[in-house]
Parts: sequence; structure tokens; C-alpha cells
Amino acid sequence: GAVVSQHPSWVICKSGTSVKIECRSLDFQATTMFWYRQFPKQSLMLMATSNEGSKATYEQGVEKDKFLINHASLTLSTLTVTSAHPEDSSFYICSASGRAKNIQYFGAGTRLSVL
Amino acid sequence: GENVEQHPSTLSVQEGDSAVIKCTYSDSASNYFPWYKQELGKRPQLIIDIRSNVGEKKDQRIAVTLNKTAKHFSLHITETQPEDSAVYFCAARNYGQNFVFGPGTRLSVLP
Repeated sequence: GAVVSQHPSWVICKSGTSVKIECRSLDFQATTMFWYRQFPKQSLMLMATSNEGSKATYEQGVEKDKFLINHASLTLSTLTVTSAHPEDSSFYICSASGRAKNIQYFGAGTRLSVL
Repeated sequence: GENVEQHPSTLSVQEGDSAVIKCTYSDSASNYFPWYKQELGKRPQLIIDIRSNVGEKKDQRIAVTLNKTAKHFSLHITETQPEDSAVYFCAARNYGQNFVFGPGTRLSVLP
């Protein structure tokens, strides 16, 4: 299956700093990338969807100025958590789909811990 | 919009027994239904999927059935093994729309 690489896998940061998470499709062109947040023992909560070259579409309740998403190329999307606070601590997972858009391939996730 | 419910939330079975997880969806236009397995701290992995023009699909010990009229689909795992222990998520999707995931089922296979 297709490979999606996500980095970093774990990041610890101080409150008030910004953290950037990268999501790369390694062997296919990801026309659409998705960013999810997952709390312990809970399901995947879609935060936003991004199509290459256009602005991300955010789900209701997700602050777009807090969670900046860039999808500048067909193989790379980034999520920047700006001015992170302890309540932003969570597991963030990206996924990508190609032109067929039928299957999502997930990254390994990033565990963010804000002190 | 689409709403996906999933039952049970937790399931414990003895090794070798079968496990069944059921999901219901609300949008009759949804036409693609994948199942993902997520082990602790790891990424969700697609294990099987079914499209709306098919009623059943099987892959070794795993099968999925779809009832479009009742708007529900189920995951069946036979001859369960300890490595089947994980959280399983169902999802529903209409072409061009986003995936909507169920809340997940934590399956424990007891040796």
C-alpha cells in the first residue's frame, strides 16, 4: 500500500511555542490530505481537509488561526500548532488520498505534549 | 451530514472465537465503507473495505457485510488470535465527501 510519512513522531514543547508537523506521501501524489486529532481511547476527529494549492477547509469548532495548515505540493502538507498550550496536547494524525480519493493512508501520528 | 455509530464499544472474546462489530450510518448516499485497525500508539491501518454495489467481501479471516436498506455494515473476524487485539474503526463516505469515522471498538482476544 501507499506510504505516508509523518514527522516528528513525538514532540514536547513549552507553552506558548509553535510546533510544526509534516506529512508526506512518499510514493503517490496526495491530492487531498486530512488532519485528525485523537484523544486517548477516542475516535479520530477530523480537524481539516486540504487540497494541494488551495486553502484548507476546517471543521466546525477548529480554530484556523490556531492550527495552520499548508498543502503546498502534492506530497507535503504541514500542520502548525501556534502558541501551543497544555490543552493542545494530543495525538495528531494525518492521512492522504490520491486522485481516486477512495482510500486514505494514514501517517504514524505525532504525539504532542505541551508543558 | 453523515453520522456513524458503532457497537459495541468494547468486546472481549476467547482466542479462536469469532468477533462481530456493527456500524450504522445515516446518509443513504454513502457508498464506501472501510474498516481500520489501530494498535496502541500506531497508525490506523485499512484492513478491509466494501463498496455499496457489493453485499459481502471476505479476506481470509476477515469479512464485511453491508445492508444498504438498513444502512448498516458489520465486520466479522473468525478464529480470532491475540494479535487481533486492537481498536477497530468503521467509516462511511460519499464520493467527494470526507470520511466519517465511528467511535471505535476495543477488541481484546483472551488467550
